[in-house]
Amino acid sequence: QSVLTQPPSVSAAPGQKVTISCSGSSSNIGNNYVSWYQQLPGTAPKLLIYDNNKRPSGIPDRFSGSKSGTSATLGITGLQTGDEADYYCGTWDSSLSPNWVFGGGTKLTVL
Amino acid sequence: QVQLQESGPGLVKPSETLSLTCTVSGGSVSSGSYYWSWIRQPPGKGLEWIGYIYYSGSTNYNPSLKSRVTISVDTSKNQFSLKLSSVTAADTAVYYCAREKVEEAGSSFDYWGQGTLVTVSS
Repeated sequence: QSVLTQPPSVSAAPGQKVTISCSGSSSNIGNNYVSWYQQLPGTAPKLLIYDNNKRPSGIPDRFSGSKSGTSATLGITGLQTGDEADYYCGTWDSSLSPNWVFGGGTKLTVL
Repeated sequence: QVQLQESGPGLVKPSETLSLTCTVSGGSVSSGSYYWSWIRQPPGKGLEWIGYIYYSGSTNYNPSLKSRVTISVDTSKNQFSLKLSSVTAADTAVYYCAREKVEEAGSSFDYWGQGTLVTVSS
């Protein structure tokens, strides 16, 4: 059971838009910045979004992030077959023993 | 370009200690802006943060693993290492080393190693 809750799967057609939600609490998302990671099959995760909504150099603007209260959202527009991957949200949890937590991951299928 | 590379045994017996090393190139583990982390992923499952070390030697571990984990750093070799004791089959996973970039606003894992599969089995 992950501390952050993501839908197990989402799907959409090429060219369409999809959003992936990440729900947490005041001890994590509510008071810390969220990052998102893309994991293509058989590869290491790759940073997509940091500080809720910033993109590292080289990440196309088709990828966007937002945060409201204790939830965060990853948006992907102009879906491509190469976007098929697992997506994870993550943030610090400032509980009694501060530690980094991840969502359970969302499998994106581009139909 | 920063690169991280994990190394260590791919097979560990139950009750023994898992030991992995991460070698960093293109950057320095002595930089004050980063934490050097270990993250694992059991087959078919999600990511689990294990812990980090700062160049000064200060550490922070996942509470669920704290009693079994030791992370150390060797600045002369530009490496950091993970030891996980008393392993069981539940510790079978792909182990990643990663760099956590720490800024005023927040932090994120901006560089990752390719990962190494460690299987716990007799």
